[in-house]
Amino acid sequence: QAVVTQEPSLTVSPGGTVTLTCGSSTGAVTSGHYPYWFQQKPGQAPRTLMYDTSNKQSWTPARFSGSLLGGKAALTLSGAQPEDEAEYSCSLSYSGAVVVFGGGTKLTVL
Amino acid sequence: QVQLVQSGAEVKKPGASVKVSCKASGYTFASYDITWVRQAPGQGLEWMGWISAHSGYTNYAHNLQGRVTMTTDTSTTTAYMELRSLTSDDTAIYYCTRLKDYWGQGTLVTVSS
Repeated sequence: QAVVTQEPSLTVSPGGTVTLTCGSSTGAVTSGHYPYWFQQKPGQAPRTLMYDTSNKQSWTPARFSGSLLGGKAALTLSGAQPEDEAEYSCSLSYSGAVVVFGGGTKLTVL
Repeated sequence: QVQLVQSGAEVKKPGASVKVSCKASGYTFASYDITWVRQAPGQGLEWMGWISAHSGYTNYAHNLQGRVTMTTDTSTTTAYMELRSLTSDDTAIYYCTRLKDYWGQGTLVTVSS
């Protein structure tokens, strides 16, 4: 089974910009992996921020954007806010049927 | 509004089975797949599989095949996930989700002797 990799932790200053990435052990991530991004705060269920690489949900703040970058899926946060401190997970789809989650990135806004 | 409301917490002994329900409302149930995801304490998300609410077609994670069954009841717009032969490694919060948007609140399943 494929392994999906994310940075274990990242720190961003308030108002700063940070990029989280999502890689695949099978090679470059493409739009065909339908990358998703999820945000989870302690004690809460996950919340879907982004689907199919760069499509936002209605509740996704405009400061989040999704892309493919250097063979990985990327979630960029521009203008970080204290409320963005959370765990961010990505998922990739393989052969359109199997989904694998990354291990998550703990984002600190400090 | 779309809601996925899950059943309450469960405590099971090793070797037992658990069945978690996910009541959907606010949308046409048959139009969306339901995915099940679990999260062990302090760990990341783990994809368990999905079921087409339209056809009942399922696709399970390889490591759970033979122990998990996902079903739907279109008359009550409810999805179910049953996991058998439980071990302590199955202790986790179990979520139903449409993945692209809405999630259930989660159901804590604790496996302990």
